[in-house]
Amino acid sequence: SQQGEEDPQALSIQEGENATMNCSYKTSINNLQWYRQNSGRGLVHLILIRSNEREKHSGRLRVTLDTSKKSSSLLITASRAADTASYFCATDMYEGKLIFGQGTELSVKP
Amino acid sequence: KAGVTQTPRYLIKTRGQQVTLSCSPISGHRSVSWYQQTPGQGLQFLFEYFSETQRNKGNFPGRFSGRQFSNSRSEMNVSTLELGDSALYLCASSGTSGTNEQFFGPGTRLTVL
Repeated sequence: SQQGEEDPQALSIQEGENATMNCSYKTSINNLQWYRQNSGRGLVHLILIRSNEREKHSGRLRVTLDTSKKSSSLLITASRAADTASYFCATDMYEGKLIFGQGTELSVKP
Repeated sequence: KAGVTQTPRYLIKTRGQQVTLSCSPISGHRSVSWYQQTPGQGLQFLFEYFSETQRNKGNFPGRFSGRQFSNSRSEMNVSTLELGDSALYLCASSGTSGTNEQFFGPGTRLTVL
């Protein structure tokens, strides 16, 4: 079963624009992670935010976490064509098991 | 460090056969997790091994099994293959940071005919 629900399911933007993806989850978590997947390949870890953190930055990525609303958002600023991929949030409830959302398919047009 | 490797990358089997997939984690990582990814169900957790012991198991039938060796390499086995087992099988390893940040391999694409 999926813990996370992601919104939107698909997003199409122009290069240079910002992309925002949202994730909601159902139960208490230890941390929330975001991953990127290029066209049916392995997942790449982007950023991890712990349950006691509210915001985290990494390069062009900004992640927020609102545990009261059980939601997180991923912002990619100044998008590039190379950012085209599927993005997944994953919640860590206990060691070794990540529960993934259905993902947001991002398309960045040059 | 070398990343997580999975073999084979592609596999075609027929219904009723069995298959074994292999995963070599990042050197020093003792936890290996397996996931199944399909268009309909998304990414679903299969099981996780740590120091040769299965610690967590997802909601999959007993046809899906795995093991981990003393060098942390892991294998998963699917017996009596069904058409619905066609999927991308992903292996991930994690270290001792305590955050469960997982590093994924490229996956094995299994097609069951």
